[in-house]
Amino acid sequence: KAGVTQTPRYLIKTRGQQVTLSCSPISGHRSVSWYQQTPGQGLQFLFEYFSETQRNKGNFPGRFSGRQFSNSRSEMNVSTLELGDSALYLCASMTDSNTGELFFGEGSRLTVL
Amino acid sequence: DAKTTQPNSMESNEEEPVHLPCNHSTISGTDYIHWYRQLPSQGPEYVIHGLTSNVNNRMASLAIAEDRKSSTLILHRATLRDAAVYYCILRDVSNAGKSTFGDGTTLTVKP
Repeated sequence: KAGVTQTPRYLIKTRGQQVTLSCSPISGHRSVSWYQQTPGQGLQFLFEYFSETQRNKGNFPGRFSGRQFSNSRSEMNVSTLELGDSALYLCASMTDSNTGELFFGEGSRLTVL
Repeated sequence: DAKTTQPNSMESNEEEPVHLPCNHSTISGTDYIHWYRQLPSQGPEYVIHGLTSNVNNRMASLAIAEDRKSSTLILHRATLRDAAVYYCILRDVSNAGKSTFGDGTTLTVKP
């Protein structure tokens, strides 16, 4: 069974640009959640999607957005990039249950110059 | 959001048991306690989770205090491959499984 796949693994952008990150969950998993990991703030919850609907959102500005497609694949977008957006962005998928384990991808490392 | 507090770092000798503590004094009745670990350059990996009762699996054991305000992850025999950052998180089943991560404990295993 293939794991959670995130693309791209690494990318470099400049301030003011926008970026789109992609996440393909484990087959059969309908929930996808996104996290930002930085040395200073640790792992922070961005948002979670289930069956194409955003069920939950963390405390991030509106520049951070996401969506989920009918095949459960998800994308997140960050517009008007700032230096502080440099981070490892992690995606996790899980089955229908809210209590189940999260399966994480290896992340997309974004560097903003 | 309920938060977790963990020691920044811990050390263990190889093949000895390790007890990793986590405080979650503001836990709610709908929060599940999950543990994950993260190796360098990898995403977090699930270890174990529970609600009220102690739990065991092939990787570890989870001991949950009776008042649920703290828990302990137990690695029965630490190996060098167990060196990682361990995160204790709360997942709120009433809030679409929203997760709150703490800062984690960096476990060093000495040979």
